[in-house]
Formats: sequence, C-alpha cells, structure tokens
Amino acid sequence: NAGVTQTPKFQVLKTGQSMTLQCAQDMNHEYMSWYRQDPGMGLRLIHYSVGAGITDQGEVPNGYNVSRSTTEDFPLRLLSAAPSQTSVYFCASSYSNIQDTEAFFGQGTRLTVV
Amino acid sequence: GQQVMQIPQYQHVQEGEDFTTYCNSSTTLSNIQWYKQRPGGHPVFLIQLVKSGEVKKQKRLTFQFGEAKKNSSLHITATQTTDVGTYFCAGPGAAGNKLTFGGGTRVLVKP
Repeated sequence: NAGVTQTPKFQVLKTGQSMTLQCAQDMNHEYMSWYRQDPGMGLRLIHYSVGAGITDQGEVPNGYNVSRSTTEDFPLRLLSAAPSQTSVYFCASSYSNIQDTEAFFGQGTRLTVV
Repeated sequence: GQQVMQIPQYQHVQEGEDFTTYCNSSTTLSNIQWYKQRPGGHPVFLIQLVKSGEVKKQKRLTFQFGEAKKNSSLHITATQTTDVGTYFCAGPGAAGNKLTFGGGTRVLVKP
C-alpha cells in the first residue's frame, strides 16, 4: 500500500493563478480531509469529505474548492492564488470518522505564491 | 468554538533529560489523539486516549488523559535526538467529523 499520496511536493504560483493539489489514498478510507500548516498555527482544516459525493467546509475554506467523485481521490483546487495561501498543505484520510480513528497524512505539498 | 491549546510552544531539552508537554481544551473531549511530526515530515499518529484518567505508555513516552477529559499530557523520559520534532494533540471538533489540532510543541534536543 502506498498510503496517502500527494502531488506535487513543491509548487510556486504567481498571484491569480489557479491549480489543483492532488491527493489519493489506497486504503479504502471513507474520510478524507485537507489541512494547511503555517508556522506557529498548527494544522487548520480546510475542507473534508465523509465519503464519495459528500464534502463540507472546515475552519478556513475561503479560496479553496474540493470534490470527491471517488473514494480514492480528493483534489484541492485553488481558484485564484494569493500570497496568503503560501503554506504547507497536508491531505489526511481515516477509515471512518476522523474523530475516532487514526488519521494517515500524506507527505505534504509546499506551496509558495509570489 | 472549541479550542485546543498546547504549552509550551517550544521546548529545548538536554539529551537524557525528561520533559512534559501539555494540551488543554476549552471543552470536554470524548477522546484525544497525539501526533508527531519530524522536521520536514508529515504528522504521524502516536496514540488515542479515550477514558477519563487513562494512562498509556509507549517505551519512553507516557500519555495521560485528565480526569475531567479537558486536558492531556505527554511525558518523555531520557530524551534522545530521535525525539526531535513537533508534537501535536488533537481533539474532536465541536461540530463533529472534524479533528481540531493544537498549535504543537516543537522539541529541540541538545546533545
């Protein structure tokens, strides 16, 4: 099993550009989520999904879109990148409700918006 | 909303010494999870505590859940350089289906 795979690992965007961060898991996990990590602020939830076809907002959803067309994939789209979106992005999955079970994290995508 | 606070934010430890990091919630938690993130790495699950007053050990790491289920601690004995990293606690979000992370304790070990 590869676990949770994120691509790309690094990305530099210009302000206003759009892009999609990819996340895939091969553990047949129902729950998937996206976090951003900024210095001194821990991990903040952007969006999450409890199953294919179902998504919901986390703490900091503005400027981001998600979709969940399959159990395996949960891409995160930046609509119009802004410097405030410079961060490290982590995708996480868990077998069921993330509150009750271990979360598995991807390797992260380090995004810089200039 | 529900908040999870961790102290200290930074911990400089001499190799071989013990230290403790603390996690406090503004609300009662049904459970609490702990994760470790090595420098440049991703968070890795360490443990979950569920019962009031629960204590669990993993080698040199001792995790405790408070009696009121509003706080937790991680105690590391005889710190080693392999303990370097950031330790996060995380609790259920107020609205369900969410995990709220504390700000983390970044541990630096002096050899």
